[in-house]
Amino acid sequence: DQQVKQNSPSLSVQEGRISILNCDYTNSMFDYFLWYKKYPAEGPTFLISISSIKDKNEDGRFTVFLNKSAKHLSLHIVPSQPGDSAVYFCAARTLNSGYALNFGKGTSLLVTP
Amino acid sequence: EAGVAQSPRYKIIEKRQSVAFWCNPISGHATLYWYQQILGQGPKLLIQFQNNGVVDDSQLPKDRFSAERLKGVDSTLKIQPAKLEDSAVYLCASSLDRGGYTFGSGTRLTVV
Repeated sequence: DQQVKQNSPSLSVQEGRISILNCDYTNSMFDYFLWYKKYPAEGPTFLISISSIKDKNEDGRFTVFLNKSAKHLSLHIVPSQPGDSAVYFCAARTLNSGYALNFGKGTSLLVTP
Repeated sequence: EAGVAQSPRYKIIEKRQSVAFWCNPISGHATLYWYQQILGQGPKLLIQFQNNGVVDDSQLPKDRFSAERLKGVDSTLKIQPAKLEDSAVYLCASSLDRGGYTFGSGTRLTVV
């Protein structure tokens, strides 16, 4: 039962343009959402997060938007850089999950020069 | 601060053999997690420890997988006997509180 879904396995964007990665979820009890970035042969690294009481969180080039009514969140990267090329995982947790995360399958982002 | 250490980085075993993975979390992190990431999938939680007690092991296949965290620090995850479908990257992570975790680099297991 996949509660967090990333329906785009891959995305290719030109350097300097905006990258938009999407994530949908089914569990309305999720109260905290996170994005992780993963390079090959490395573990995922935390990128940015958002609480369910907010609809936007920004950190430098990265912004996460949350639409609770649509059960949808997105990660915007502006401007995209070649070093952003990686797999991006969306994750979510519930208040009672003991901080355990439900992950999506990931979106592989390629930023071309 | 030192990161989450995992060993070995790679392991190849035959089916029905046993294997063990080791994890050393960030110093002071009370919560430790083991995740399994099959190729093309997102990480899936296997077990979560708070200090040396198990918080959640509902998705751990207990007939073949076991894990322990003695003294609330290091942890080992064991598979016995291994099956072909256990081929995956096994990720250990630790966290201090409600913030994001820190993951280790993982152990890539191939069962042939």
